[in-house]
Amino acid sequence: QVQLQESGPGLVKPSETLSLTCAVSGYSISSGYYWGWIRQPPGKGLEWIGSIYHSGSTYYNPSLKSRVTISVDTSKNQFSLKLSSVTAADTAVYYCARVGAGSTNYFDYWGQGTLVTVSS
Amino acid sequence: AIRMTQSPSSLSASTGDRVTITCRASQGISSYLAWYQQKPGKAPKLLIYAASTLQSGVPSRFSGSGSGTDFTLTISCLQSEDFATYYCQQYYSYPSITFGQGTRLEIK
Repeated sequence: QVQLQESGPGLVKPSETLSLTCAVSGYSISSGYYWGWIRQPPGKGLEWIGSIYHSGSTYYNPSLKSRVTISVDTSKNQFSLKLSSVTAADTAVYYCARVGAGSTNYFDYWGQGTLVTVSS
Repeated sequence: AIRMTQSPSSLSASTGDRVTITCRASQGISSYLAWYQQKPGKAPKLLIYAASTLQSGVPSRFSGSGSGTDFTLTISCLQSEDFATYYCQQYYSYPSITFGQGTRLEIK
């Protein structure tokens, strides 16, 4: 069974960088699939942030591209998100998920999510 | 970017009812559409992909249809555990992904 678990600080100050890690178990990232980040502000809908392949190829939401970096560490079977220059608008539950490639580009396994609050 | 619009935004129904949620894309997306169910405090759960293919383990009372710009999610006989928020997601503009704004299904 594929399992994903997000981890990282729950509180980040404005203008600083949000950093989260997603640990994957039950499946080797190197075996394939893309791995993505999605966020959900409190009481609002879902927003795709970006995705990464085990080779390191990345794709980002154009609205966040200038501030987002997603990286992968296949030796630890995990991938990470960095979002720079955060503001209160970046307060959200952040989910990591497995996503297929091409014609299967939907999310079939999700982490439980982690709430990140941006506040001084 | 492809915009996904769901209707209604919220819906009240009773156990045993048949309900339909609609998702419209701002341009044709063939059948590259997925549906998710999200319960409060939980991660979304994949229900349907390729517009009409049921994800493994999802009850058969859920069904999806449509292609091009108009899609529907139907729950044939509502159960208590079905009251949740539902999202559509297009993946035609791979690798860029967009979600609908969600439809909240509440108990009448």
